[in-house]
Amino acid sequence: DQQVKQNSPSLSVQEGRISILNCDYTNSMFDYFLWYKKYPAEGPTFLISISSIKDKNEDGRFTVFLNKSAKHLSLHIVPSQPGDSAVYFCAASYIQGAQKLVFGQGTRLTINP
Amino acid sequence: DAMVIQNPRYQVTQFGKPVTLSCSQTLNHNVMYWYQQKSSQAPKLLFHYYDKDFNNEADTPDNFQSRRPNTSFCFLDIRSPGLGDAAMYLCATRTTSGRSTDTQYFGPGTRLTVL
Repeated sequence: DQQVKQNSPSLSVQEGRISILNCDYTNSMFDYFLWYKKYPAEGPTFLISISSIKDKNEDGRFTVFLNKSAKHLSLHIVPSQPGDSAVYFCAASYIQGAQKLVFGQGTRLTINP
Repeated sequence: DAMVIQNPRYQVTQFGKPVTLSCSQTLNHNVMYWYQQKSSQAPKLLFHYYDKDFNNEADTPDNFQSRRPNTSFCFLDIRSPGLGDAAMYLCATRTTSGRSTDTQYFGPGTRLTVL
C-alpha cells in the first residue's frame, strides 16, 4: 500500500520553461512534506519543504504547492535549467517525532537545451 | 568535506553470507536512519536511531540488524542476505536541535549485490 505516489516516472522540459512535478498521498495524517533531489552516484539532497498549515512555500526558483483537500502537492521550477536534470523524490512525514520519511518512487526530470 | 560517508560504495556478497554496511557522519547529528531502495522503487525506512535508542519499523525483516557504537558511526548488518535484499542502502542523519531540524542529510548509498 503505497502512501506517497509520483505517477510520472519521467518528465522532459525545455530549458527556460516551467517544470511541474506532481505527488499524491493517501494518509491525511501527514502534516509535513519535502522534496529531495538526487543526482547519479549521490545521495538525495533536501530541496524544499512545506507544512500542512501552509499551501505554498517558495525558495528562489522552487515553489511547492500543497492542496490538502486533494492530498496533492507539486513542485514548480521556473525557469528550468540544465543543472536541474535529476531524479526528484517527494516525501511525507509528521512534523513531530522522528521525521520518518515516506517517499514516492521519484520522477526523472530532464531539461533539454 | 564529506558529511555522511558510506562504505563501501559497492558491495558484493554471496547468498546467505553475512554482510555489514557502514555509515559515518561528521555532523554530530543525534538521529541516524537506514533506508532501503530497490530498483525503480521508493526508498523505504528500515530503522532509525534517536541518540542511542533503536527504533525498528514494523515491517523490517529480522534479517536486518543495526548497531550504533557512538554518535558518528552506524552499521547495517544483514545476517543472511537473500537475492531479494539486493538494493541501494541509504544512510541519513538529522539533528533535533538548532535551525536545520527539518533536513535529513543523506550519504551516497551502498549498492549491494547478492550472488
